[in-house]
Amino acid sequence: AQKVTQAQTEISVVEKEDVTLDCVYETRDTTYYLFWYKQPPSGELVFLIRRNSFDEQNEISGRYSWNFQKSTSSFNFTITASQVVDSAVYFCALSEKRGDTGRRALTFGSGTRLQVQP
Amino acid sequence: DTGVSQDPRHKITKRGQNVTFRCDPISEHNRLYWYRQTLGQGPEFLTYFQNEAQLEKSRLLSDRFSAERPKGSFSTLEIQRTEQGDSAMYLCASSSTRDRGVDYGYTFGSGTRLTVV
Repeated sequence: AQKVTQAQTEISVVEKEDVTLDCVYETRDTTYYLFWYKQPPSGELVFLIRRNSFDEQNEISGRYSWNFQKSTSSFNFTITASQVVDSAVYFCALSEKRGDTGRRALTFGSGTRLQVQP
Repeated sequence: DTGVSQDPRHKITKRGQNVTFRCDPISEHNRLYWYRQTLGQGPEFLTYFQNEAQLEKSRLLSDRFSAERPKGSFSTLEIQRTEQGDSAMYLCASSSTRDRGVDYGYTFGSGTRLTVV
């Protein structure tokens, strides 16, 4: 069965520090997708990035960057120069094809709560 | 289109009562999912619709839970004879399939927070 582990339960940093959120996954499938979502206090899950298993190229989007390493089954997320507005719970998720319907189930990690102090 | 809408945002009910939640997905999305999120945990999959057909249910979905998507648009999730353990955030998500049936990502609603007292 697939599994996503986010070992960091809570991280607290001071504004402008860089912070990396770890994600390790397990799957037997060769084709899968990895996601990061942000959940602010309002509760809505906000999509940040999707990466497929064949694309190990790292990605940078503004202050966000992602490091996908298939060899270690990790998909880590770094926020550069953190801001107070980055305070939220961040979830890593794995999607693989399930069953004949072809639909992809999302398996989430337990999340990392990031507190950015001013 | 303003995204995935869920109603109500909050629901407090007494143990043993029935509750129903509604989800309106993004209009062009044919796939709809229900997830449950308990405090301090990530969302867990409950069930999935493609158009009006309910194609998969999780083991988490006991016989007190039922979901419908009658016309392939909005969906309802009903919990009968609620228990305190049902207290959670119920999240709805939708997605669309394009070529080769590959999902291009999920859009989540803000959820319905259920408290059973």
